[in-house]
Amino acid sequence: QVQLQESGPGLVKPSQTLSLTCTVSGGSIRGSTYYWSWIRQPAGKGLEWIGRIFSSGSTYYNASLKSRVTISVDTSKNQFSLKLSSVTAADTAVYYCARDRDSFFDPWGQGTLVTVSS
Amino acid sequence: IVLTQSPATLSLSPGERATLSCRASQSVSSYLAWYQQKPGQAPRLLIYDASNRATDIPARFSGSGSGTDFTLTISSLEPEDFAVYYCQQRSNWPPSITFGQGTRLEIK
Repeated sequence: QVQLQESGPGLVKPSQTLSLTCTVSGGSIRGSTYYWSWIRQPAGKGLEWIGRIFSSGSTYYNASLKSRVTISVDTSKNQFSLKLSSVTAADTAVYYCARDRDSFFDPWGQGTLVTVSS
Repeated sequence: IVLTQSPATLSLSPGERATLSCRASQSVSSYLAWYQQKPGQAPRLLIYDASNRATDIPARFSGSGSGTDFTLTISSLEPEDFAVYYCQQRSNWPPSITFGQGTRLEIK
């Protein structure tokens, strides 16, 4: 079965770029008919969808974050990545990657905490 | 599209029936999913497309509704069901994916 695992720095300085990678196992991104998404959750708060990418490289972003977000895919490594620029403390959150079946997300990675602090 | 979940907190006892509501600010057709989240864990898909149970989800969980009003029902609460529940929609116009603010189901 498909499993996802997030990785990347747990601490990012304000104004810098947050970079995370999601590694997919048990299934291939290449040629799949799914999207692959990033979602985040500040501590004690709700969930916010960040954006998605198709295996072809087509991307769609949350309008509220679009100016700062880039999602890319590396099918040779079976990975997709998130870059969020000009981060502030408001970007501190647990970041999840998930397989995006168009109208729902399943499965999810375990999540990784990213703290924005100097 | 804004999703409003009610109540914010629901206090019930094991064995009781739980009814959670999710209302959309405009129609999302049947593109509505429900997730369960326990502390320190990722959300788990329960229901997709309003009424379809995800793989390995017990039959006590059911979803209903279409358009703007949706319901998640847990027919008889088990101890492991006490958690936070989120609804989520996908719309084509305006193009968006959003989550509700969550309902906390706590033991009474």
